[in-house]
Amino acid sequence: GESVGLHLPTLSVQEGDNSIINCAYSNSASDYFIWYKQESGKGPQFIIDIRSNMDKRQGQRVTVLLNKTVKHLSLQIAATQPGDSAVYFCAESPGNTPLVFGKGTRLSVIA
Amino acid sequence: EAGVAQSPRYKIIEKRQSVAFWCNPISGHATLYWYQQILGQGPKLLIQFQNNGVVDDSQLPKDRFSAERLKGVDSTLKIQPAKLEDSAVYLCASSFITSGPTNEQFFGPGTRLTVL
Repeated sequence: GESVGLHLPTLSVQEGDNSIINCAYSNSASDYFIWYKQESGKGPQFIIDIRSNMDKRQGQRVTVLLNKTVKHLSLQIAATQPGDSAVYFCAESPGNTPLVFGKGTRLSVIA
Repeated sequence: EAGVAQSPRYKIIEKRQSVAFWCNPISGHATLYWYQQILGQGPKLLIQFQNNGVVDDSQLPKDRFSAERLKGVDSTLKIQPAKLEDSAVYLCASSFITSGPTNEQFFGPGTRLTVL
């Protein structure tokens, strides 16, 4: 399938290790954040979201951390698997306005 | 449950030609979005519909892009005439109820447009 992006920051991790993908967001008024996963040739897929009144939220094998002081969002993936290889995007929304997507990070899992 | 359908999956055209993309959202989803994703970047919203009305088209280049959702279900996005910089993946997404971003958006596979 076609590549989502050729010049993205890349994170390479060993299978079974934990992955941490970081995102700096731009708008201090943003109060809702989402992480999406995009595999080659596919549309983005929702992973997890968090509102600004929280600083941590956990899902299945994933955790999102929000630091509003420094406008930083991170996605932690536990026990990374080959199927986690994809491009990951954070997206922000200030006050119920349309999502604004970041540039993305490519996660490459080494078996 | 069937996902968001888009066609065609790939399209190659010469600059100044016209092109149209089609999207069929998930059944029952009132809100439909068209995004442009340039290689190496995140998706950028072009237009958002709720039923057959436009909610946001502030980032749609209206001199060449148009979109419609006449019966509140399927949608088409058209580019006329195309420019080289329009080469991108055009993604359609839909969500269940209102246009707020907290309603999960489901994305289609996209149409990859190459303008030569």
